[in-house]
Amino acid sequence: GAGVSQSPSNKVTEKGKDVELRCDPISGHTALYWYRQSLGQGLEFLIYFQGNSAPDKSGLPSDRFSAERTGGSVSTLTIQRTQQEDSAVYLCASSFHSGGAEQFFGPGTRLTVL
Amino acid sequence: GQQLNQSPQSMFIQEGEDVSMNCTSSSIFNTWLWYKQEPGEGPVLLIALYKAGELTSNGRLTAQFGITRKDSFLNISASIPSDVGIYFCAGPGSGGSNYKLTFGKGTLLTVNP
Repeated sequence: GAGVSQSPSNKVTEKGKDVELRCDPISGHTALYWYRQSLGQGLEFLIYFQGNSAPDKSGLPSDRFSAERTGGSVSTLTIQRTQQEDSAVYLCASSFHSGGAEQFFGPGTRLTVL
Repeated sequence: GQQLNQSPQSMFIQEGEDVSMNCTSSSIFNTWLWYKQEPGEGPVLLIALYKAGELTSNGRLTAQFGITRKDSFLNISASIPSDVGIYFCAGPGSGGSNYKLTFGKGTLLTVNP
């Protein structure tokens, strides 16, 4: 498809386990973003990748969270030693270039930590 | 940091009615974005506004960028059941952080057929 894809769509894990969430951005988009959407909350910025520049990780809530983007395309968000408060929908977005405008979102991964 | 206040938080309307929702900010935005999110899906961009005073339409949707650059509104005319969803306003951060979108908490729209 032509849109942003994410996998898995749902993930249930036990507290303390590590999880990996994957994002495939729209082909040709150089900027990639991760957001978190918690119940009753708006979307919260986590991390931003633009080309070969150093990512902006300022939104990551703790050092248990990390992300990488390989080859300027696919990105993986990793949460180590998951906690119940990590339960949320994790959304990936991409845009043709940086600048905030017109970010296109994937369907998200719903993470449930038991 | 920047905050966006959306109102109303929720709306329950009859099919065919017009809808209006708005978003206000404590600081100036250079861009306003309106997204719609349906259950189990990611937000879908509806309208992007780039200039103060700009009025832009997308089918039955019309959005305006407020003159003060601190507010925006979204109107939906002649609502239909598929308009159901959560509508979010969003704006980019200031200066070198203009890639960080700040989102409002959303307006939940329910349309009764």
